[in-house]
Amino acid sequence: RKEVEQDPGPFNVPEGATVAFNCTYSNSASQSFFWYRQDCRKEPKLLMSVYSSGNEDGRFTAQLNRASQYISLLIRDSKLSDSATYLCVVNVYNQGGKLIFGQGTELSVKP
Amino acid sequence: DAGVTQSPTHLIKTRGQQVTLRCSPKSGHDTVSWYQQALGQGPQFIFQYYEEEERQRGNFPDRFSGHQFPNYSSELNVNALLLGDSALYLCVSSLLDMDSSGNTIYFGEGSWLTVV
Repeated sequence: RKEVEQDPGPFNVPEGATVAFNCTYSNSASQSFFWYRQDCRKEPKLLMSVYSSGNEDGRFTAQLNRASQYISLLIRDSKLSDSATYLCVVNVYNQGGKLIFGQGTELSVKP
Repeated sequence: DAGVTQSPTHLIKTRGQQVTLRCSPKSGHDTVSWYQQALGQGPQFIFQYYEEEERQRGNFPDRFSGHQFPNYSSELNVNALLLGDSALYLCVSSLLDMDSSGNTIYFGEGSWLTVV
């Protein structure tokens, strides 16, 4: 079983749609959680950190459920510019700050 | 203030050859980690360097080795290249005691390695 698993993609949605990405992690010692965005042939860029209380940044909402070891990302009112691969990332402190990435979910927003 | 710089950005090697990739971390950062990202996959942790020593290693063979210099810059060396080593190699710069915000982790733009 992979340490971090994401929904398989790709997700093809029309502009304006709401799309949700899910992610599960297996290591209960995981301490920090992130969603990264990666454009084609570019490095990953931090989209947002994920906290137990949930957090929102404009059209993006992230949730963490530690009991279920589950992370989600909700994108509302999708834009063409949201098209990218979204990576779920976990940091396990007892592993010295190693980042563990999911395989990524590709999102394609169509006009 | 320069961020993380990696070189070269693209390179092509032949099977069996050796390659060295370089990374200069963000100013003030003391920890460098290397990741391999194959096409269609998420980045996979190779190893992490702090104070010129390998602190932690992922599930990669000994063909993958590294080094960190006193100025915190780092090299990734891969010997006896295989076709499967073709990937984007990412350098990540951070502080050892990074906070939980993610804002203290910086990625380089990566080095694209193609093995033919």
